[in-house]
Amino acid sequence: AQTVTQSQPEMSVQEAETVTLSCTYDTSESDYYLFWYKQPPSRQMILVIRQEAYKQQNATENRFSVNFQKAAKSFSLKISDSQLGDAAMYFCAYRRHSGNTPLVFGKGTRLSVIA
Amino acid sequence: DGGITQSPKYLFRKEGQNVTLSCEQNLNHDAMYWYRQDPGQGLRLIYYSQIVNDFQKGDIAEGYSVSREKKESFPLTVTSAQKNPTAFYLCASMRDTTNYGYTFGSGTRLTVV
Repeated sequence: AQTVTQSQPEMSVQEAETVTLSCTYDTSESDYYLFWYKQPPSRQMILVIRQEAYKQQNATENRFSVNFQKAAKSFSLKISDSQLGDAAMYFCAYRRHSGNTPLVFGKGTRLSVIA
Repeated sequence: DGGITQSPKYLFRKEGQNVTLSCEQNLNHDAMYWYRQDPGQGLRLIYYSQIVNDFQKGDIAEGYSVSREKKESFPLTVTSAQKNPTAFYLCASMRDTTNYGYTFGSGTRLTVV
């Protein structure tokens, strides 16, 4: 079974600085999807960024980018120019490419942003 | 606007009671999912349904039941067999053959009193 590991239960960053959240996963599949979700205090889950495993280019969405290392099964999230609104729980998730198979989530990293 | 609606937002249950959490979507998505969220545990899969009248158990299905009689609706019943039901419950849906991941509802907080 696939597993997703987030080794940092909590992280903090100064406003305007850069922070990287780690995620590793275990799979025997060659094609799959990876996601980062944000859960602010409202608890609404928000998709931050997604990556398709067959694409070598790292995904980028404004201040959010990933470092996807397929051989190492690593999928880290970099947040640049951190803002107070970035404070939230961040979840890494994996899904097989085929069908509507469920997402597998890591346990999350709580990010605090210090003004 | 299309989306997923979970109700109620907060729910209180007495010991020994069954309760049903509602999840309705108007996105025409085929697949729907229920997750449970506990502090430090991430999101754990309870049940999912890829098509009407069919559903599969997830990792923590014991003490829960579901139905999928309509494409739009995927209610979750927390039965008295669930020993520790206090948690935050999230419903999600996903369109077939998409890499866009889930659309989530806003969640239901269930507390046993």
